[in-house]
Amino acid sequence: NAGVTQTPKFQVLKTGQSMTLQCAQDMNHNSMYWYRQDPGMGLRLIYYSASEGTTDKGEVPNGYNVSRLNKREFSLRLESAAPSQTSVYFCASSSGQGSYNSPLHFGNGTRLTVT
Amino acid sequence: EDQVTQSPEALRLQEGESSSLNCSYTVSGLRGLFWYRQDPGKGPEFLFTLYSAGEEKEKERLKATLTKKESFLHITAPKPEDSATYLCAVRGSGGSYIPTFGRGTSLIVHP
Repeated sequence: NAGVTQTPKFQVLKTGQSMTLQCAQDMNHNSMYWYRQDPGMGLRLIYYSASEGTTDKGEVPNGYNVSRLNKREFSLRLESAAPSQTSVYFCASSSGQGSYNSPLHFGNGTRLTVT
Repeated sequence: EDQVTQSPEALRLQEGESSSLNCSYTVSGLRGLFWYRQDPGKGPEFLFTLYSAGEEKEKERLKATLTKKESFLHITAPKPEDSATYLCAVRGSGGSYIPTFGRGTSLIVHP
């Protein structure tokens, strides 16, 4: 099993450009998440999807949009990139909202630099 | 609001020098406490889930323990390959199933 797959692994954007980060999981998980990780800040939740067809804002949603394309795929879009969005982005999945004991499984991240 | 504080922020050990990492938490009704390992350039990798005070879990040189206010990750006779950042997260029963993460402890084990 591949687990959680993120593409691309690296990306450099200029201020104002747009891009979509892709995430797919093959574990039949219901819930999916997008986090960003910055030095000294830890993991911060951007958006999450409790189940197919639903999305909700997390701690730092401004400047981002998401799409839960189907049960496997959850994408994150930056409409107009800003230098403050330079970060490492992680996608994660878990069994579901009703499974409080289910851990998150993470992809290996997308390293984004906005110049 | 659930809170997680990890200490120390960074820890340097010599190979074979045992030590412990701390995760203090405040949560309304603990549903689960999770430990993860994160290697440079990789995503966090799940290690353990603990559910109730007194519970212990072990994996190779790692042992996680849980009290009502904190969890410890004990590392016995560490090796350089144990070098990583260790993250702690909690899930409470306060309404959201979203876990709250600590900022992690960066562990370096010198040969």
